[in-house]
Amino acid sequence: EAQVTQNPRYLITVTGKKLTVTCSQNMNHEYMSWYRQDPGLGLRQIYYSMNVEVTDKGDVPEGYKVSRKEKRNFPLILESPSPNQTSLYFCASSSTGSDQPQHFGDGTRLSIL
Amino acid sequence: EDQVTQSPEALRLQEGESSSLNCSYTVSGLRGLFWYRQDPGKGPEFLFTLYSAGEEKEKERLKATLTKKESFLHITAPKPEDSATYLCAVPDLLTSYGKLTFGQGTILTVHP
Repeated sequence: EAQVTQNPRYLITVTGKKLTVTCSQNMNHEYMSWYRQDPGLGLRQIYYSMNVEVTDKGDVPEGYKVSRKEKRNFPLILESPSPNQTSLYFCASSSTGSDQPQHFGDGTRLSIL
Repeated sequence: EDQVTQSPEALRLQEGESSSLNCSYTVSGLRGLFWYRQDPGKGPEFLFTLYSAGEEKEKERLKATLTKKESFLHITAPKPEDSATYLCAVPDLLTSYGKLTFGQGTILTVHP
């Protein structure tokens, strides 16, 4: 089954404790993205990757890091999480071309205390 | 900067009561408009891509249409299982590929 898998689905942690949210897709897609979804602000892109070792900032990249060492994986790293990063995070992937629909994971709900 | 605006923010319908959701956009060059459905606790699920003005696509009780400035998602004789948040999005052409600009969404509730 074609899917985007995120882990963990839920995480409560404390300010400053480094964390990584993993994302994996099995569709051999070139593009992968991370979004955060906040009430009243909608979905906003954090980072995206056009292929292995190629990443770029989205609209809200501050406080986040990403890496793309393998085509299927695109982890999101919070080096020093802060409470304003409490949010619902989604990973997405798509094949080549801006007109190709993105396929989303089921989300990771992060709470930073 | 691309902007996508959806209306209404929320819509409550009785089962069988048809209606439409609106997505208006201002972009430098449209190369597709996407509609997604999002259920609580889930990621957005792709519904349709529309590429050019005048295009229409259908799936069960849903029909999406596109003009030069807006898109409509028509819901015919909705059922309670159609309750969800509906999102539209456009790809960003100026800054990069792989980036979507989303509207705020319309929360649809269909009562039996």
